[in-house]
Amino acid sequence: AQSVAQPEDQVNVAEGNPLTVKCTYSVSGNPYLFWYVQYPNRGLQFLLKYITGDNLVKGSYGFEAEFNKSQTSFHLKKPSALVSDSALYFCAVRDIGLDSGTYKYIFGTGTRLKVLA
Amino acid sequence: NAGVTQTPKFQVLKTGQSMTLQCAQDMNHEYMSWYRQDPGMGLRLIHYSVGAGITDQGEVPNGYNVSRSTTEDFPLRLLSAAPSQTSVYFCASSRTRQETQYFGPGTRLLVL
Repeated sequence: AQSVAQPEDQVNVAEGNPLTVKCTYSVSGNPYLFWYVQYPNRGLQFLLKYITGDNLVKGSYGFEAEFNKSQTSFHLKKPSALVSDSALYFCAVRDIGLDSGTYKYIFGTGTRLKVLA
Repeated sequence: NAGVTQTPKFQVLKTGQSMTLQCAQDMNHEYMSWYRQDPGMGLRLIHYSVGAGITDQGEVPNGYNVSRSTTEDFPLRLLSAAPSQTSVYFCASSRTRQETQYFGPGTRLLVL
């Protein structure tokens, strides 16, 4: 079955330090992978995506993610964390059905990032 | 563009009542979906649509109905509300299957 796993419920990092939020996936075929961020009482906002091409994807607000096919991972990274990065982060994969006319998105359970001043 | 809009923002229901959560987008997106967000569960897909007249079930469809008579609107109907349906509901849309999803601001539903 298709799935997305975010193994950490919460990640704490000091401001200015690099951060990593982990995501692994299990889908059939080539995955389309996404990261979204959710601030309190708001909807989800798109950060970045991997469709094909370069395994290192750069996105909004200085975030980047690395696609690793052999490890089926798509970890989110940022070289220097800011307090304002504190939020809930979701990894998602778009699963293409056997009939390419159907597709749906599967989300992980989310990781709460706390950046400490 | 207003993007993805959802109404109401907050609703309280009694067990057994029915209601419709509205979702609309003005971006001519073909793909629309409904999710519920519960603590520790992430977002779970309820129903989705790949175009007007085409809908399909997601992970947790029981107790919910959808229809897609126009490209713009994708209402979610709760047939007989239950306390287990207390959640935050998000509607999302994307232009094509390769595009990212845009999310609405959410509807917070409390079923007593």
